[in-house]
Amino acid sequence: NAGVMQNPRHLVRRRGQEARLRCSPMKGHSHVYWYRQLPEEGLKFMVYLQKENIIDESGMPKERFSAEFPKEGPSILRIQQVVRGDSAAYFCASSPSWGMEGLGDEQYFGPGTRLTVT
Amino acid sequence: AQSVTQPDIHITVSEGASLELRCNYSYGATPYLFWYVQSPGQGLQLLLKYFSGDTLVQGIKGFEAEFKRSQSSFNLRKPSVHWSDAAEYFCAAEGDSSYKLIFGSGTRLLVRP
Repeated sequence: NAGVMQNPRHLVRRRGQEARLRCSPMKGHSHVYWYRQLPEEGLKFMVYLQKENIIDESGMPKERFSAEFPKEGPSILRIQQVVRGDSAAYFCASSPSWGMEGLGDEQYFGPGTRLTVT
Repeated sequence: AQSVTQPDIHITVSEGASLELRCNYSYGATPYLFWYVQSPGQGLQLLLKYFSGDTLVQGIKGFEAEFKRSQSSFNLRKPSVHWSDAAEYFCAAEGDSSYKLIFGSGTRLLVRP
């Protein structure tokens, strides 16, 4: 059973270009989460998606960032017109369902995509 | 605001020695707490989690953690470290919404032969 897959693992973009990061959740998982890790910091929640629905995007910058999780295919995190401050590791996690009584199911993390903006 | 603090950026221990990694949280109620490990080039792997009940939690790879409400701490321990334990360790807590994990900044563990 393959784990959470992310590609590319490393991505270099010039300022002003677009970055598209892909995440394929574990088989049978329908919940996807994106986190960002800036240098020397912990991971920060960005967005929570279910198939064809954005559930919570409160951690995502209001401009230039968008995320989707279509009915078919991977989840995509898209960053338009990248700036140097977008350089970070972006992690995707997935879980099978939402637990009862507020207990979240374990989130399984992918290896991350390291974005460098030059 | 809720926060998780890992005061040690780097820790070096000798192989076979005991290990304790510190984690403190700032939260009104008792949060759900987690420890993850990240090996180079890999994703985060869950070592253990605390939801309620026994405050000493056993995890994988011989790790354990103890929840201490009075100290707002959830320190990770291992009695004898192996060279393969060298990695980065993250403490995390559930945030204001249960699916939002709040992470500490991580502690990088180096193991001396």
